[in-house]
Amino acid sequence: IQMTQSPSSLSASVGDRVTITCRASQNIGNSLNWYQHRSGKVPKFLVYDASSLMSGVPSRFSGRGSGTDFTLTITNVQPEDFATYYCQQRFSNVPTFGQGTKLEMK
Amino acid sequence: EVQVVESGGGWVQPGGSLRLSCEASGFTFSIYEMNWLRRTPGTGLEWISFISGRSLTIRYADSVEGRFTISRDNAKNSVYLQMNSLRDEDTGLYYCVAGGKNFDHWGQGTQVTVSS
Repeated sequence: IQMTQSPSSLSASVGDRVTITCRASQNIGNSLNWYQHRSGKVPKFLVYDASSLMSGVPSRFSGRGSGTDFTLTITNVQPEDFATYYCQQRFSNVPTFGQGTKLEMK
Repeated sequence: EVQVVESGGGWVQPGGSLRLSCEASGFTFSIYEMNWLRRTPGTGLEWISFISGRSLTIRYADSVEGRFTISRDNAKNSVYLQMNSLRDEDTGLYYCVAGGKNFDHWGQGTQVTVSS
């Protein structure tokens, strides 16, 4: 299953609202996860089942979607949110990732 | 605190072998499924292998099937990846990751470079 993210990079200012899109090449239901990878840190599991936040993830993060189209939205972007975000499908026994979206400071 | 620490990466010539190790702490390792993933210039983030808690289920990506072998030692809270017949395209940062298909806990990664 191919996962396609857009955009590949995104510039934003603190306080902005940003949305990242992920599209699956086939219907994956809600079997979609999101990860955050900050420079110098280990990747962090943010969202599971398309819209459920992992414990400790701030409520400014939200995930939506089902089937083939998904979004991750960050409202009121904070300095610690500048990172690369990846979607990942867990529908098949071969988990696959999107190519990543780098959120940069404007 | 959960910690996942990989080791064993390095430089190797094409056709060579490396064995990666991963030691985990801060969670009940023996019941946790474990994975190896990698980030390569050509493919981005790629899942390459999975092992269940008691090693009863093992899976590989097609790209490494027959060349890589995953194993674990629950007494040592460790998982391993034996990599044989390495190719240029295996160059990348290899991550040990705890979880089934939800990748809960990641290490920092260990760099593998395959080059002549």
